[in-house]
Amino acid sequence: DAGVTQSPTHLIKTRGQQVTLRCSPKSGHDTVSWYQQALGQGPQFIFQYYEEEERQRGNFPDRFSGHQFPNYSSELNVNALLLGDSALYLCASSLPGRDNEKLFFGSGTQLSVL
Amino acid sequence: SQQGEEDPQALSIQEGENATMNCSYKTSINNLQWYRQNSGRGLVHLILIRSNEREKHSGRLRVTLDTSKKSSSLLITASRAADTASYFCATVHNAGNMLTFGGGTRLMVKP
Repeated sequence: DAGVTQSPTHLIKTRGQQVTLRCSPKSGHDTVSWYQQALGQGPQFIFQYYEEEERQRGNFPDRFSGHQFPNYSSELNVNALLLGDSALYLCASSLPGRDNEKLFFGSGTQLSVL
Repeated sequence: SQQGEEDPQALSIQEGENATMNCSYKTSINNLQWYRQNSGRGLVHLILIRSNEREKHSGRLRVTLDTSKKSSSLLITASRAADTASYFCATVHNAGNMLTFGGGTRLMVKP
């Protein structure tokens, strides 16, 4: 049973560019959340997708957008990249119901903005 | 901004010793969770404690929650070198499952 998978593993971009990160949730999971983790810090919530809609959003600018597809996979898009966007981007999936508060994380995409 | 604060930020112990990490938060919670992260990669869920619970155990892990003090602790007993990792507490504040993480405790267990 495959866990949460993310691609690519590493990515290097320059300021002003746009980037798309991808995530496939764990089998049977329908909710996908995205987190940004700067070096030496804890992850920060970006947004959560359920039934192809953004259900919750953290304190991130509109440059950060996402999408969820009918097969529950998800994309995170970041426009007009800034140096401060350099971070590990983590995708997490969960099941509906009481246990949905437990998240399963992928290994992340390390984004470097130069 | 991050809700929780972990203490200590870094901890170094010998194999076989116990490791205790503390977490404090600011507003009322639905539940509190502890995660482990190796080498800046994905996080692994360790244990979840709900706001109406005071203590939970899972193997060598013991978590306590004091809602009056808005604090939690994670105890790892009989630590092993393989326990070396960063440990994060995360709080859930409403019916959804958005996690608010603390800054983490970096644990090193020396063989």
